[in-house]
Amino acid sequence: SAVISQKPSRDICQRGTSLTIQCQVDSQVTMMFWYRQQPGQSLTLIATANQGSEATYESGFVIDKFPISRPNLTFSTLTVSNMSPEDSSIYLCSLTPGGDTEAFFGQGTRLTVV
Amino acid sequence: QKEVEQNSGPLSVPEGAIASLNCTYSDRGSQSFFWYRQYSGKSPELIMFIYSNGDKEDGRFTAQLNKASQYVSLLIRDSQPSDSATYLCAVNTGGFKTIFGAGTRLFVKA
Repeated sequence: SAVISQKPSRDICQRGTSLTIQCQVDSQVTMMFWYRQQPGQSLTLIATANQGSEATYESGFVIDKFPISRPNLTFSTLTVSNMSPEDSSIYLCSLTPGGDTEAFFGQGTRLTVV
Repeated sequence: QKEVEQNSGPLSVPEGAIASLNCTYSDRGSQSFFWYRQYSGKSPELIMFIYSNGDKEDGRFTAQLNKASQYVSLLIRDSQPSDSATYLCAVNTGGFKTIFGAGTRLFVKA
């Protein structure tokens, strides 16, 4: 198993600003994943964060809007840039320690953009 | 595009009944399959995982997998009001990545 500490747990931000979300893991992991969960919707994968290389983004998500850092094997950040109300969502970091095993999640960040 | 499809519900069952949740997936090469439960405002938590065709039982929960039909299901026996949540079907497509279905909202009426 893995323990992921994610912060902040929630924030209310002004449009046009940026928010950086942090995730700290209690063990070293190769890949971390960032998901978005819009109200009433399921989890949509934003990108895969790889240590030592650029993140891999899914269709519809771009680095300029969601820059990701992965400075070491236990930490990652996701920044939501130039926010608009449409970015209001829950953002979750995740990892799968065993490759094809279950996913573990941070506590989530509930973002509201006003 | 690799997809996981679920009926969004809501599915409403009386307390004590069997709740049946279904899911299909598009990537025939998928090897591992999961059911997560998500309470409102909380992160998903694992309920069941299954890797092989057939049934897998754990307490009141039974997961069923049919790779030929690309179909996964979850049965919840003796449903309780505390089972009321959104159930997410998820597929690991290899390379550590997990794809989630839209989720089925379950309501268990006391």
